Amino acid sequence: KNEVEQSPQNLTAQEGEFITINCSYSVGISALHWLQQHPGGGIVSLFMLSSGKKKHGRLIATINIQEKHSSLHITASHPRDSAVYICAVRYTDKLIFGTGTRLQVFP
Amino acid sequence: DTGVSQNPRHKITKRGQNVTFRCDPISEHNRLYWYRQTLGQGPEFLTYFQNEAQLEKSRLLSDRFSAERPKGSFSTLEIQRTEQGDSAMYLCASRDRVNTGELFFGEGSRLTVL
Repeated sequence: KNEVEQSPQNLTAQEGEFITINCSYSVGISALHWLQQHPGGGIVSLFMLSSGKKKHGRLIATINIQEKHSSLHITASHPRDSAVYICAVRYTDKLIFGTGTRLQVFP
Repeated sequence: DTGVSQNPRHKITKRGQNVTFRCDPISEHNRLYWYRQTLGQGPEFLTYFQNEAQLEKSRLLSDRFSAERPKGSFSTLEIQRTEQGDSAMYLCASRDRVNTGELFFGEGSRLTVL
């Protein structure tokens, strides 16, 4: 069993839909990162969370430390949101990554 | 541009050759990480440095892999006697532990071993 599990693995949506990506982990962590990876490889950090909730534009990330679960929400999705979204947890001083959720948003 | 640069961006080599990748992190970041990513998978930890000290190396990493960060600035990752299974994207990331702790990734170096 992977230490970081994401669901769903693949997600398609129509433009404007509300999207939720889930991440569960099994180790004690100091922080959780949500990352975005576009085709071609570049990874951009969206959020770093250690508790509660953060919002940036149309993106919202939440974490429940007791339940070892985090969610990434995208409101009013847009085709430019199409990418792979990766959850990574900071364990000791390194990151353990989930396998990612591939999101495609169609106009 | 995240401020972390990696070179070369693409490398094609024949099996058995040695390759070296370079990562230039954000200058004030003291932590530097190397990850490997294969198609459809999340990045896999290889090793990391705090300044010039290599603090941890993945047990999955064979002895053909070595990394250095000689002056606590740029880092190199060398793969000796490459194998086809080494074909992957090699990602570098840096972090400033003191401030936000945010990670900044380079664009990656894609290795193809023929």
